[in-house]
Amino acid sequence: GPKVLQIPSHQIIDMGQMVTLNCDPVSNHLYFYWYKQILGQQMEFLVNFYNGKVMEKSKLFKDQFSVERPDGSYFTLKIQPTALEDSAVYFCASSLRRGPLYFGEGSRLIVV
Amino acid sequence: GDSVTQTEGQVALSEEDFLTIHCNYSASGYPALFWYVQYPGEGPQFLFRASRDKEKGSSRGFEATYNKETTSFHLQKASVQESDSAVYYCALGNTGANTGKLTFGHGTILRVHP
Repeated sequence: GPKVLQIPSHQIIDMGQMVTLNCDPVSNHLYFYWYKQILGQQMEFLVNFYNGKVMEKSKLFKDQFSVERPDGSYFTLKIQPTALEDSAVYFCASSLRRGPLYFGEGSRLIVV
Repeated sequence: GDSVTQTEGQVALSEEDFLTIHCNYSASGYPALFWYVQYPGEGPQFLFRASRDKEKGSSRGFEATYNKETTSFHLQKASVQESDSAVYYCALGNTGANTGKLTFGHGTILRVHP
């Protein structure tokens, strides 16, 4: 079936540094999402993105977070600066309007 | 706010056993309900959804019926196989234009022994 690719699969980073998580969504999808899953907890919605704009974000989407998809390339989640509590698996997803979400395999971020 | 409760954290079965994973929700309005499955090393995969009361969703032998009265969407399968071993997530979403903001349950780990 359709695949969402995420790069990197895992990354270890020093607290305070910047990290960019990349997502290559399904080619004809128009809506893009980031979800966060802390170990042992459920997946939580961070943000959704359509037509070059953030449509909705949760309280977990702190000021240090940003998303963009310049010129139809990767859909990215940038965290600057990172904090210890940002350690989690970040899942990217994409969809058509009203369609089911297709998730990537996740990017495991460890902030030390 | 919206929430989803999956009663079972883990379920262990033998092949050909009957499966039930309980899912209850709390939401304002009339949410759409979903089941996702996550195999080891992969992201969650959409199984099926239901959008209105008494609607049954189904896929790959799994099914669930939307029950507004009991606010439930329990997952069932008549005869599980070892390949069904995975984590199963119940989720709810709005029924507006953007159905991508989902509220997930904690997930249920299913282990099926040969």
